[in-house]
Amino acid sequence: AQSVAQPEDQVNVAEGNPLTVKCTYSVSGNPYLFWYVQYPNRGLQFLLKYITGDNLVKGSYGFEAEFNKSQTSFHLKKPSALVSDSALYFCAVRDGSGGSYIPTFGRGTSLIVHP
Amino acid sequence: GAVVSQHPSRVICKSGTSVKIECRSLDFQATTMFWYRQFPKKSLMLMATSNEGSKATYEQGVEKDKFLINHASLTLSTLTVTSAHPEDSSFYICSASYRGYGGNQPQHFGDGTRLSIL
Repeated sequence: AQSVAQPEDQVNVAEGNPLTVKCTYSVSGNPYLFWYVQYPNRGLQFLLKYITGDNLVKGSYGFEAEFNKSQTSFHLKKPSALVSDSALYFCAVRDGSGGSYIPTFGRGTSLIVHP
Repeated sequence: GAVVSQHPSRVICKSGTSVKIECRSLDFQATTMFWYRQFPKKSLMLMATSNEGSKATYEQGVEKDKFLINHASLTLSTLTVTSAHPEDSSFYICSASYRGYGGNQPQHFGDGTRLSIL
């Protein structure tokens, strides 16, 4: 079985400050991890993924995420938040060791960046 | 690259009407397509998964006779909500994925369809 937890329903941050959106996961085998962003009344857009290799993954729009195997986490980060980063963020995981090819999504975290 | 087009973006219709939603991958072959329903409190509910040329696999609790899914080609999947009722009103989102390279490819999402049943 695989699961994802996004413990924060909402994250508030001031523009220019660093932001972190948390994600923890559980899989039987090797995790394939993904972050997506959703703007209002739109579908989800792919931001970045971790499959293997460097624990720090860089993605679109200046976002990055750090894979931490011991803590089973894949937190999304950005050094300096923009008001335009305000959106809904989803973390997803699938088992890369031959399990289900269907990813499991977290419940989403609303990011609000204040001017 | 990796564009998924979903149409229509918004539908308003009377109770009892059947509504078809199309999902097309424009620049890649979508070996797998997913259909989601998104509720007002933002969570995504996976409704079904379809592979080209095969019958869709529905998640538990999703009525396959009500939500008909067809994945006739590597670029097109359709969701038909049959005899829609107000409780079917929701935001429906499709996504497509290429299952090459051991399945490490991300999903590419359409822009969703807002369905409102009066």
